[in-house]
Amino acid sequence: DVKVTQSSRYLVKRTGEKVFLECVQDMDHENMFWYRQDPGLGLRLIYFSYDVKMKEKGDIPEGYSVSREKKERFSLILESASTNQTSMYLCASSPLPGGQGEKLFFGSGTQLSVL
Amino acid sequence: DAKTTQPPSMDCAEGRAANLPCNHSTISGNEYVYWYRQIHSQGPQYIIHGLKNNETNEMASLIITEDRKSSTLILPHATLRDTAVYYCIEGRGFGANNLFFGTGTRLTVIP
Repeated sequence: DVKVTQSSRYLVKRTGEKVFLECVQDMDHENMFWYRQDPGLGLRLIYFSYDVKMKEKGDIPEGYSVSREKKERFSLILESASTNQTSMYLCASSPLPGGQGEKLFFGSGTQLSVL
Repeated sequence: DAKTTQPPSMDCAEGRAANLPCNHSTISGNEYVYWYRQIHSQGPQYIIHGLKNNETNEMASLIITEDRKSSTLILPHATLRDTAVYYCIEGRGFGANNLFFGTGTRLTVIP
């Protein structure tokens, strides 16, 4: 089975801290994604990547950056964490390079609290 | 923005079929309909997708109306482990980045 692993299940940080959320997938997928999930708002796409060293902005990229130095690893970076970034963060990967019939595989999520 | 409409919640008796409706009246001819579910404290899980024809796999069946404006996800024999939020998603174009997850239907399977 495809496995998408997020490094932390729960994380508590202070306002202004630099935060790294790590995600690793083990199925050699080209595509990787970062979402945040908030009550009443569903999942919102932050950034995605279709290849190593490549990144594209999603719907809500402000306040975030990403890094993809290796195919299997996709990192989400909060340069200066703020309380409105308290959320559940979900990483996903998919095997198709952009055709129809997309199947996303998600990690279990990281619940980030910024105090 | 979400283009699909789903009821916010539904109940289903254990062992009975769960029929989850979804309206996607603005879907275009080459856009797929996807279903995912999210069990509490887990990430979403892919269930099934379709374009025009009805589809079935080991998890569920997907019935798409002829005009493609609505669909129904069927779990033939619901179990307590099927309690989850179910998302009906209209692909907005090519690429998984075009899958928009709304707030879904919270299905509760009752013993």
